[in-house]
Amino acid sequence: NAGVMQNPRHLVRRRGQEARLRCSPMKGHSHVYWYRQLPEEGLKFMVYLQKENIIDESGMPKERFSAEFPKEGPSILRIQQVVRGDSAAYFCASSRMGGTMNTEAFFGQGTRLTVV
Amino acid sequence: AQSVSQHNHHVILSEAASLELGCNYSYGGTVNLFWYVQYPGQHLQLLLKYFSGDPLVKGIKGFEAEFIKSKFSFNLRKPSVQWSDTAEYFCAVIPITGANNLFFGTGTRLTVIP
Repeated sequence: NAGVMQNPRHLVRRRGQEARLRCSPMKGHSHVYWYRQLPEEGLKFMVYLQKENIIDESGMPKERFSAEFPKEGPSILRIQQVVRGDSAAYFCASSRMGGTMNTEAFFGQGTRLTVV
Repeated sequence: AQSVSQHNHHVILSEAASLELGCNYSYGGTVNLFWYVQYPGQHLQLLLKYFSGDPLVKGIKGFEAEFIKSKFSFNLRKPSVQWSDTAEYFCAVIPITGANNLFFGTGTRLTVIP
């Protein structure tokens, strides 16, 4: 659904640089999910946030990755000191209700990160 | 742990052929089930979903899926595919208790030849 906006669409970073991926959820949605799609694989859950809170980060790598969803502004997925293995498509989804009450998540177009 | 299996990685069909894409999940409890489609260069879009009731679910663009609880399956079907159905198809599940996220299969790439 075009309502979830992700930017940039494509991001190229050199090894060791930082990558910042942004996601603006659909209007009225306060639940945001980040997924990563590695080549030839399905989407893997990374983190689930509500406004100003991280609810579930069980899929997030323990180092170099962080996410936030401030009171104002988009959700940010931040990857520090990127490595080649971070190259992937990162998708954001939002929903009106969250967690086990999630009935439908709407996805953005994704950010394709390439680490060179 | 929950997992979703999509048996076919790449399916090639001629226009007007019938389609069936397999999806099996492993989870002992009750789940909600989804099929998403990703057209080239675009975001994931919801094709159809099953929460409860009639196990035969109709979605957009002529797609349907059947939930067979005894087989833990949720196969996607379309009687007659079109060139515009060329895309990647993802099956996803979410347990109704104890989970915050969708579990996706690895996807099936469908190529329809005109």
